[in-house]
Formats: sequence, C-alpha cells, structure tokens
Amino acid sequence: AQSVTQLDSQVPVFEEAPVELRCNYSSSVSVYLFWYVQYPNQGLQLLLKYLSGSTLVKGINGFEAEFNKSQTSFHLRKPSVHISDTAEYFCAVIMNTGNQFYFGTGTSLTVIP
Amino acid sequence: NAGVTQTPKFRILKIGQSMTLQCTQDMNHNYMYWYRQDPGMGLKLIYYSVGAGITDKGEVPNGYNVSRSTTEDFPLRLELAAPSQTSVYFCASSLGRGSETQYFGPGTRLLVL
Repeated sequence: AQSVTQLDSQVPVFEEAPVELRCNYSSSVSVYLFWYVQYPNQGLQLLLKYLSGSTLVKGINGFEAEFNKSQTSFHLRKPSVHISDTAEYFCAVIMNTGNQFYFGTGTSLTVIP
Repeated sequence: NAGVTQTPKFRILKIGQSMTLQCTQDMNHNYMYWYRQDPGMGLKLIYYSVGAGITDKGEVPNGYNVSRSTTEDFPLRLELAAPSQTSVYFCASSLGRGSETQYFGPGTRLLVL
C-alpha cells in the first residue's frame, strides 16, 4: 500500500519570502504524485502533478515541485509567496496502475504581510 | 459547465437518521470518488466508481453505501448516522484512472448529534 507523509502541519512565512512544503511517500511500485491546494471553504484544486519524465514539475501560480526517487520525496516550492497563497496544501499519491488516491494530512500555509 | 456539484452544503442529523449526499458532474467523466475530510487527517477515500454500474470500496467504507446508475450522478448514502460520521464530504471526478486530474466539488458539511 502507499502512504504519504507531510512533515509540517503549519508553515508561516512572510510575504515575498520563499517557501518549501515537504512531502514524502512510500510505495513499492511506480507512482504518480500530485499537489492540490484548498482555499477556505472550497474543494481541492490541482496545483501540479508528476507522471514521468523531467523530475522538475511546474504548476499554476508559480509553484513547482521536484520528484526525487531515491529520497521518495516530492517537495513543493515557490520562490516568492503572496498573501493569496494562504491555504491548505495536500500531497497525494496513486499507483500508476491503481484507482485509489492516498492523501497526506495537509500543510497549512499562512503568508504574513 | 458547472463541474462537480454537491447538495446539500450543510446538514445536521440526529444519531440513527439516514440521508443521501448528492453529487453530479457534467464533464462526462468516467471516474467518480467520495472522500471525507477530518481535521488534521487529510482526505480519506470512502468509495469510488470507474463507470456506471461499477463501484468499489476505498479506505473507509463502513457505514456508507453508493450507487452509480448514470455517468453523471454518484450519490452517497448514510443509513444509520453516527457521531463518527461528522465530517466534510467531498465528491470528485476524473476523466480516467490515476494520471488524470481530479475535479472536486465544494463539499458537504455534516454534523451528527
């Protein structure tokens, strides 16, 4: 079975500072990896996903993530955050032959003016 | 194109009551999912469907039932509500299996007293 660990439950960061949200996964088979964002009182929206190929994936709103197979990680980064980035961020994994997604427990990003 | 819609937005149930959470998508997606989101726990998959007439259990199916008679609709049934089912429920759909993006509805907040 797969599992996802998001190491930080809360990350406060000042506006225009860089941020990294960490995600590690465990799986014995090849997987697809996703980052979703949830704004208050809304459903989740896709930020980016890694399926294959280049390990650096760029997503919406200036976010990017790097897949590291040896460290089983898929950390999310943004070089300069904005107030509007305040939200909950979820990492998710699925076997590349599977139907079930497994989500991490989420990281609450708070951008401080 | 409304995407994924869920009704109701909020509901309070008494222990032992039953209800159906409605989910409809207008994107002609084959795959549909039901998740519950509890504070600090991320999203857990309850049931999913890969097409009309086909459903399967996720991580936490106990206490719930689903049906998929059409491509568009995927209702979730709670037969005997329990306080442990207090949660936010999200429906999602995707075009196909794992590599495809999931599109989430706005959620249903359920309180069981």
